[in-house]
Amino acid sequence: NAGVTQTPKFRVLKTGQSMTLLCAQDMNHEYMYWYRQDPGMGLRLIHYSVGEGTTAKGEVPDGYNVSRLKKQNFLLGLESAAPSQTSVYFCASSIRDRPNYGYTFGSGTRLTVV
Amino acid sequence: RKEVEQDPGPFNVPEGATVAFNCTYSNSASQSFFWYRQDCRKEPKLLMSVYSSGNEDGRFTAQLNRASQYISLLIRDSKLSDSATYLCAVNSKSGGSQGNLIFGKGTKLSVKP
Repeated sequence: NAGVTQTPKFRVLKTGQSMTLLCAQDMNHEYMYWYRQDPGMGLRLIHYSVGEGTTAKGEVPDGYNVSRLKKQNFLLGLESAAPSQTSVYFCASSIRDRPNYGYTFGSGTRLTVV
Repeated sequence: RKEVEQDPGPFNVPEGATVAFNCTYSNSASQSFFWYRQDCRKEPKLLMSVYSSGNEDGRFTAQLNRASQYISLLIRDSKLSDSATYLCAVNSKSGGSQGNLIFGKGTKLSVKP
């Protein structure tokens, strides 16, 4: 059981380039999330999804887009990368109606924008 | 007041010590509370859910004080392997049927020999 898998694990982008981060979970979780983690800022929610075909904005959505075409996958897109988007990105998933189960996180994607 | 606040530390303690972390939250409607552990350059991993009656898992005890809006984590008999950053998380109830988790910035613990 792989849990939550993120690809790629590392990436260096030039300013203005685009890329897509992929998150895949095999736990049949309904809810999925994208967070970014920066030193001194903690984990901040970018976007989330409560089910296939649905997405919603979190705390820091600007500069990012997401899609949830399949229940098991949640994609995070950067259309035109900026140095301010240098961060560690974590995907997470959770079970609907089981709030006490918490979130399961992927191992993260370290993104540097130069 | 920020939604979820933690003392950033670091807490430097000797092996065998007892250490306590507190975390305050601002949304009185929050109903789910957690402690996560995050090792350096790794993802957060769920350590414990925090229940109203308090709960214990080995050397770890978590408590919830709804009146004062804080949760606590007590680690007894600290081990070197307990060195990590401890994140508290509280659900926001601002989206979806169960809300999203808001994380504190974490408290760094360093256990020394």
